[in-house]
Amino acid sequence: NAGVTQTPKFRVLKTGQSMTLLCAQDMNHEYMYWYRQDPGMGLRLIHYSVGEGTTAKGEVPDGYNVSRLKKQNFLLGLESAAPSQTSVYFCASSYGLAGGLNEQFFGPGTRLTVL
Amino acid sequence: GESVGLHLPTLSVQEGDNSIINCAYSNSASDYFIWYKQESGKGPQFIIDIRSNMDKRQGQRVTVLLNKTVKHLSLQIAATQPGDSAVYFCAETFMPGNQFYFGTGTSLTVIP
Repeated sequence: NAGVTQTPKFRVLKTGQSMTLLCAQDMNHEYMYWYRQDPGMGLRLIHYSVGEGTTAKGEVPDGYNVSRLKKQNFLLGLESAAPSQTSVYFCASSYGLAGGLNEQFFGPGTRLTVL
Repeated sequence: GESVGLHLPTLSVQEGDNSIINCAYSNSASDYFIWYKQESGKGPQFIIDIRSNMDKRQGQRVTVLLNKTVKHLSLQIAATQPGDSAVYFCAETFMPGNQFYFGTGTSLTVIP
């Protein structure tokens, strides 16, 4: 099992450009999450999904959109990147409520710089 | 959102000593807590979890203590090793399976 994978690993954008971050998991998890991590701060939830075709807002959703067209994939989009979106982005997945197991498995992260 | 904070941002310990990392949470309704370890350049990795109906849980070399009265969580690492050097985060949720709230992290450095 590859677990949770993220592409790309690094990206540099100019202000106003758009991009999509891809997250894939092969553990058949129902729940998937996108977080951002900034220096000196904990992870903050951007958006999450409780199943294929569903998405919901987290703590800091502004400026981002997501889609969960397939159970194994969760896409994070930036329509018009801003320097404030410079961060490390982590994707995670979990079984969710099933069996009461809520451990989240994290991907390796995507380091995004917006100039 | 709810705040989850750590008392100490950095901690240095000698190899072989025990480490204690603390975490305070503010939502008394939180019912599930997780400790994560994050090594440099990697994503967080699950260490141990505890539910609010417990006050102690042990794993391999790690113990988590939960004091609901003062809303405090701690992670104890026995016989700390150089490989334990990392940033440790606590996370809480009061909606199991949905949103977790993470603390800012404590950087643990193990001195050989």
